[in-house]
Amino acid sequence: AQKITQTQPGMFVQEKEAVTLDCTYDTSDPSYGLFWYKQPSSGEMIFLIYQGSYDQQNATEGRYSLNFQKARKSANLVISASQLGDSAMYFCAMRPPNAGNMLTFGGGTRLMVKP
Amino acid sequence: DVKVTQSSRYLVKRTGEKVFLECVQDMDHENMFWYRQDPGLGLRLIYFSYDVKMKEKGDIPEGYSVSREKKERFSLILESASTNQTSMYLCASRAGGLFGELFFGEGSRLTVL
Repeated sequence: AQKITQTQPGMFVQEKEAVTLDCTYDTSDPSYGLFWYKQPSSGEMIFLIYQGSYDQQNATEGRYSLNFQKARKSANLVISASQLGDSAMYFCAMRPPNAGNMLTFGGGTRLMVKP
Repeated sequence: DVKVTQSSRYLVKRTGEKVFLECVQDMDHENMFWYRQDPGLGLRLIYFSYDVKMKEKGDIPEGYSVSREKKERFSLILESASTNQTSMYLCASRAGGLFGELFFGEGSRLTVL
């Protein structure tokens, strides 16, 4: 069974600083996809970034980048230049190829950006 | 933009009542999902559907059923609501293919008294 672990239930970061949200996963499949989603207080889940297990480079999307370390089975999200609007819950998720449409989520990290 | 709409943002029901949670997507996606979100547990998959009238159990299907009579609509049904089903319920849809992203609705917060 696949498992996603986010060890930080909550984090503070100063506005304009960078922050790293941790995510580790456990799978025996060589091919899989990793996702990060943001959930603001409104409740909607917003897709941020995707990393494929065979991608040669770490994914980046604007201020978001994914620090993918395959051997360590970690896929940490890095947010540069934090903004007040970044305050939200962040979820790491994984979809292995042989699990059909199943997407496994971690427990989430609540990020709070201080002005 | 993809739009996933959940019919109710907040519901309060009594133990034993039958509860329907409706979800509609407007992008002709084949795949639709129902998740339950609880603090510290993240999102857990209840059921998903990859086609009309098709459904598959997720990680926690007990106490729930689903219906997909039309491609755009996926309903979650609690036949007899219980207090341990008090939670946030999130619907999502996804196009075909292996690694496409999920598009989520805004969630339905259900309280069972």
